[in-house]
Amino acid sequence: GNSVTQMEGPVTLSEEAFLTINCTYTATGYPSLFWYVQYPGEGLQLLLKATKADDKGSNKGFEATYRKETTSFHLEKGSVQVSDSAVYFCALSPNQAGTALIFGKGTTLSVSS
Amino acid sequence: DSGVTQTPKHLITATGQRVTLRCSPRSGDLSVYWYQQSLDQGLQFLIQYYNGEERAKGNILERFSAQQFPDLHSELNLSSLELGDSALYFCASSVGTARAGGGELFFGEGSRLTVL
Repeated sequence: GNSVTQMEGPVTLSEEAFLTINCTYTATGYPSLFWYVQYPGEGLQLLLKATKADDKGSNKGFEATYRKETTSFHLEKGSVQVSDSAVYFCALSPNQAGTALIFGKGTTLSVSS
Repeated sequence: DSGVTQTPKHLITATGQRVTLRCSPRSGDLSVYWYQQSLDQGLQFLIQYYNGEERAKGNILERFSAQQFPDLHSELNLSSLELGDSALYFCASSVGTARAGGGELFFGEGSRLTVL
């Protein structure tokens, strides 16, 4: 079946530190991969996506590369800010009829100044 | 603002009761998705409708049902409520189906249900 596994949190960093949040997936076929972010009290919003192997998604200084050989889509940012504090969800779309986005359990990031 | 509107934002009720959560999708979006977010289970997909028809079904209990109306708004009905149904229920919308739309969903702010 299709599933997403992401690292447990919380992740606590100081401002300007390097961020990596690991995400691996299991899927049949050719899925699309996503990172969504949820700020406190809000719904999820799309951060970045990649639709095929070796694609790199990027947005707001965050980036992730679709690695088919390692079935991974790790999220990275070179220098985090306090405003990046949020919950980050890795997600997979199987791109098959009768399916919907499948989310990981989320990783809480807390950045302090 | 994602353009997806959910009501009510908060709801407190008792075990055994029935509630209805409402969602208005973004203008022009034909698909509506319902997700349940709880601390232990994370974000669980419940059900999807596309232009009034059920398109995908996830981990939705038999006590729960949903529908999408001709004006494209959707309702999620939860009945015979149990303590474990307490969660944040999100509605999301997209232009097409997950297959056609590349999976980008626009989420509402959620309806927080507390069952006492």
